[in-house]
Amino acid sequence: GESVGLHLPTLSVQEGDNSIINCAYSNSASDYFIWYKQESGKGPQFIIDIRSNMDKRQGQRVTVLLNKTVKHLSLQIAATQPGDSAVYFCAARKGGSYIPTFGRGTSLIVHP
Amino acid sequence: ETGVTQTPRHLVMGMTNKKSLKCEQHLGHNAMYWYKQSAKKPLELMFVYNFKEQTENNSVPSRFSPECPNSSHLFLHLHTLQPEDSALYLCASSQESQGVYNQPQHFGDGTRLSIL
Repeated sequence: GESVGLHLPTLSVQEGDNSIINCAYSNSASDYFIWYKQESGKGPQFIIDIRSNMDKRQGQRVTVLLNKTVKHLSLQIAATQPGDSAVYFCAARKGGSYIPTFGRGTSLIVHP
Repeated sequence: ETGVTQTPRHLVMGMTNKKSLKCEQHLGHNAMYWYKQSAKKPLELMFVYNFKEQTENNSVPSRFSPECPNSSHLFLHLHTLQPEDSALYLCASSQESQGVYNQPQHFGDGTRLSIL
């Protein structure tokens, strides 16, 4: 089976700083990874994804890094803003399956 | 218009009641999912429908009964629930094609269920 875990349950940063949220997965057959953001009272919102044939992908103010050797991925948020405060969690999907395994969330708290 | 809409947003029910949760997706997706989200736990997959056919049932108690009348609508019928069933129930959808699995799921905002 697959297990997916986040390294820290809570991350506090100052507004304007860069944030890094880390995630580890266990199944080397996982080939697709997704980051979600969940704000209070809302459902998870897709942020960015990455396939295993890549090691980096950039979006608007977000970057996902994938290290398949150590089965680790991270989400970097540049110039963190108060609106980025939310729970972030990663998901990993094994090749040939459309069912992802979700990790527990990291609560990002942005101080003004 | 929101991609995935869930109703009601909040539901309080007694253990002997019967109620239903509704999900509707406007994204043209062909797969729909029910998840349970409890505090400090990862999302738990309950049911999956692909092309209206149920393909996953992760040992969910029979007091939860899904229904998928078409690829845009998904229901979760609830009967004789227990207090431990109190949680946020999330619906998701995705577009899945044979041999192509790299598509993210899109979630609704959930139904917050409280069992008295």
